Amino acid sequence: NAGVTQTPKFRILKIGQSMTLQCTQDMNHNYMYWYRQDPGMGLKLIYYSVGAGITDKGEVPNGYNVSRSTTEDFPLRLELAAPSQTSVYFCASSQGQGNNQPQHFGDGTRLSIL
Amino acid sequence: QKEVEQDPGPLSVPEGAIVSLNCTYSNSAFQYFMWYRQYSRKGPELLMYTYSSGNKEDGRFTAQVDKSSKYISLFIRDSQPSDSATYLCAMSAFYGNNRLAFGKGNQVVVIP
Repeated sequence: NAGVTQTPKFRILKIGQSMTLQCTQDMNHNYMYWYRQDPGMGLKLIYYSVGAGITDKGEVPNGYNVSRSTTEDFPLRLELAAPSQTSVYFCASSQGQGNNQPQHFGDGTRLSIL
Repeated sequence: QKEVEQDPGPLSVPEGAIVSLNCTYSNSAFQYFMWYRQYSRKGPELLMYTYSSGNKEDGRFTAQVDKSSKYISLFIRDSQPSDSATYLCAMSAFYGNNRLAFGKGNQVVVIP
């Protein structure tokens, strides 16, 4: 059972560089999410998607972009990396449209921007 | 007032003790309440899931929800070193995009 898979696991970027964090799920879930987790700050929602071709902003979307061309994949793009984007990024997915569907998380991408 | 409050202070207990964790919240629309466990360098994994008020038990874990007080709790009985992790509460409303509001997490260390 792969579940939610994130790549890469670790990455160091220089200020101003760009990169894409990959997320794929094999559970045929409609809903997918990107969170960032900073020490002592819990998880904050960056973007989410309710299905292929549909995305929307979360609490902290500035500096990020997403796309959802397939049900399985939900990549997160950083265009101009800034030190404030140093964080651990988690992708999650959930089944269906109801709020009684718990979210399943990947193991994260640890990103440092120097 | 933050939407979900969880005292992030680390908690150390001896093996076999009862661990008690709690969260308070301000949004009366929240209907679904979850506890996630997160091991170091891993993603959160769903531990307990409850709807509305009441208790739910699963092995050594008990989740309680008191909607009138906007207060949820997680109890771990007979704690084991393998329970050492960070525990995050999360909750969502009945409507909308399944947006989860998370607490900051409690780091728990069970000492053998």
